Amino acid sequence: NAGVTQTPKFQVLKTGQSMTLQCAQDMNHEYMSWYRQDPGMGLRLIHYSVGAGITDQGEVPNGYNVSRSTTEDFPLRLLSAAPSQTSVYFCASSYTSKLAGHNEQFFGPGTRLTVL
Amino acid sequence: SQQGEEDPQALSIQEGENATMNCSYKTSINNLQWYRQNSGRGLVHLILIRSNEREKHSGRLRVTLDTSKKSSSLLITASRAADTASYFCATDLGSNTGKLIFGQGTTLQVKP
Repeated sequence: NAGVTQTPKFQVLKTGQSMTLQCAQDMNHEYMSWYRQDPGMGLRLIHYSVGAGITDQGEVPNGYNVSRSTTEDFPLRLLSAAPSQTSVYFCASSYTSKLAGHNEQFFGPGTRLTVL
Repeated sequence: SQQGEEDPQALSIQEGENATMNCSYKTSINNLQWYRQNSGRGLVHLILIRSNEREKHSGRLRVTLDTSKKSSSLLITASRAADTASYFCATDLGSNTGKLIFGQGTTLQVKP
């Protein structure tokens, strides 16, 4: 199993450009999520999905869109990049159940994004 | 402020000593998890403790959970230089929300 994969590893954008960060997992996990990590801020949840066709907002959703057309893929779109979106982005997936809740999350290696 | 808050923010100890990190949270939880992050890498799951559990062990790790105080602690015994990393707690707010919220983390440095 490849686990959780993310592309690209690094990206530099100009203000106003758009792009999509790719995330895929091969563990058949229902739950997938996107976090951003900034110095001193820990990880903040951007968007998450509890299954194909279902997405919801996290703590910091503004400026980002997601979709979940398949169980495997959960792309994150930056609509019009801003310098405030310079960050490291992590995708994660996990198995969840109504009774037990979240099990361990598996993280991708991250995408380091710089917006000039 | 965030659901999970950790202290201390930074901790520096000598190899062989024990390291204790604390996590406090605000709302009721389904479970609480601890993760480790080496510099420049993704997070790796360490241990999960459910709301009906009070203590859990995994190797040199010991986690406690006090739901009345809404707090958890992670103890690493006999620390090694390789334990140098950032440690995060994450709270599962319950299946209805589908959210797992992370704290800001504790940076641990273990000096050889």
